[in-house]
Amino acid sequence: GAVVSQHPSRVICKSGTSVKIECRSLDFQATTMFWYRQFPKQSLMLMATSNEGSKATYEQGVEKDKFLINHASLTLSTLTVTSAHPEDSSFYICSAYQAGGGRYNEQFFGPGTRLTVL
Amino acid sequence: LAKTTQPISMDSYEGQEVNITCSHNNIATNDYITWYQQFPSQGPRFIIQGYKTKVTNEVASLFIPADRKSSTLSLPRVSLSDTAVYYCLVGDTSNTGKLIFGQGTTLQVKP
Repeated sequence: GAVVSQHPSRVICKSGTSVKIECRSLDFQATTMFWYRQFPKQSLMLMATSNEGSKATYEQGVEKDKFLINHASLTLSTLTVTSAHPEDSSFYICSAYQAGGGRYNEQFFGPGTRLTVL
Repeated sequence: LAKTTQPISMDSYEGQEVNITCSHNNIATNDYITWYQQFPSQGPRFIIQGYKTKVTNEVASLFIPADRKSSTLSLPRVSLSDTAVYYCLVGDTSNTGKLIFGQGTTLQVKP
């Protein structure tokens, strides 16, 4: 299957700083990239949908000014958590989707980024 | 997107067959059913997808009755490495790529 990478895999930062997470589709061009957040023992929560060259669409309740998404190319999307606080500590997962694939709405997920804000 | 209901957790032993049932009473005509697997601290991965009747691949089987209001993921002869969270998702064929994850079923396989 297609490979999606995330960098960094783990980050620890001080409260008030900004953190950037990269998501790359390594062997295919993604029509759309998605960003999820997952708290311990909980399911994945969709944060936003990102298409190359256009503004991201955020889910209800997700602050777009706090979670900045840039989708610079068909293989790269970045999520920046601005002015991070301890409550932003979570597991952030990206996924990539290619329209016209063999399976409906199949997403290829990255390995996730563990963010800890002190 | 149709809502899904799954058991929160299940236990099994190595070598047994595990069946996880998902209810999706409000499934629409264009909706298909997809199952993902997630190991701790990893992103989910696709297991199987189907629309009706039975689908089988090298990992699992998916059984969907005629009314399509439920589906059952069957894992043959599980091993310890099958311990994971299994998510049932229902989505339409509009190919937007969007997925909404429910609570999932935590499967614990014991030796």
